[in-house]
Amino acid sequence: QVQLVESGGGAVQPGRSLRLSCAASGFSFSNYGMHWVRQSPGRGLEGVARISYDGSDKDYADSVVGRFTISRDNSKNMVFLQMNSLRAEDTAVYYCAKGFYDSGGWGQGTLVTVPP
Amino acid sequence: DVVMTQSPLSLPVTLGQPASISCTSSQSLVNSDGDIYLNWFQQRPGQSPRRLIYKVSYRDSGVPDRFSGSGSGTDFTLKISRVEAEDVGVYYCMQGTHWPKTFGGGTKVEIK
Repeated sequence: QVQLVESGGGAVQPGRSLRLSCAASGFSFSNYGMHWVRQSPGRGLEGVARISYDGSDKDYADSVVGRFTISRDNSKNMVFLQMNSLRAEDTAVYYCAKGFYDSGGWGQGTLVTVPP
Repeated sequence: DVVMTQSPLSLPVTLGQPASISCTSSQSLVNSDGDIYLNWFQQRPGQSPRRLIYKVSYRDSGVPDRFSGSGSGTDFTLKISRVEAEDVGVYYCMQGTHWPKTFGGGTKVEIK
């Protein structure tokens, strides 16, 4: 079955960077788009970034454009989220999920905390 | 962005009784490929969201058949035919047709 394991979260000062990783298994990774969703008490659930199966198409939420970059390594079944210039409002649990339009199979999430 | 409006906010239900959650989108969710990417998620306390329903009415593997999804255009519904204790949690609708993916605000299902 689909398994997604996120890592890389933590507490970081405003303006600094973090790189989240997501290890995928249980499906033909290179055939599927992937995306990141975040959840916070104040903003609820939000789509953050998505990437097509081959990495040729990428989309970002307006709130992270120019600061976050999504990428993937199909040889390692991994997807990444590079987060730069972090702000307090980026504090959330970040989930990796399978699909470009669809959203099947989520990981357990990784917590990112950026103090005000 | 597409706004997903869910109701009710809270849903107290007696065990064994039915429950229904409504979700309305601010625009059509029909994708260019003809599919409607409307999902329903369940989030139990302390857990990550789990998808129950995809493309309006298809149940995910392992999801009990007491859960069903329906709808078209901009109006969608999740129904639980007979609520069980394990169904307690928050339920979200989500559209994936338009970017960014957007979610309803959630409906908290609790047992009376």
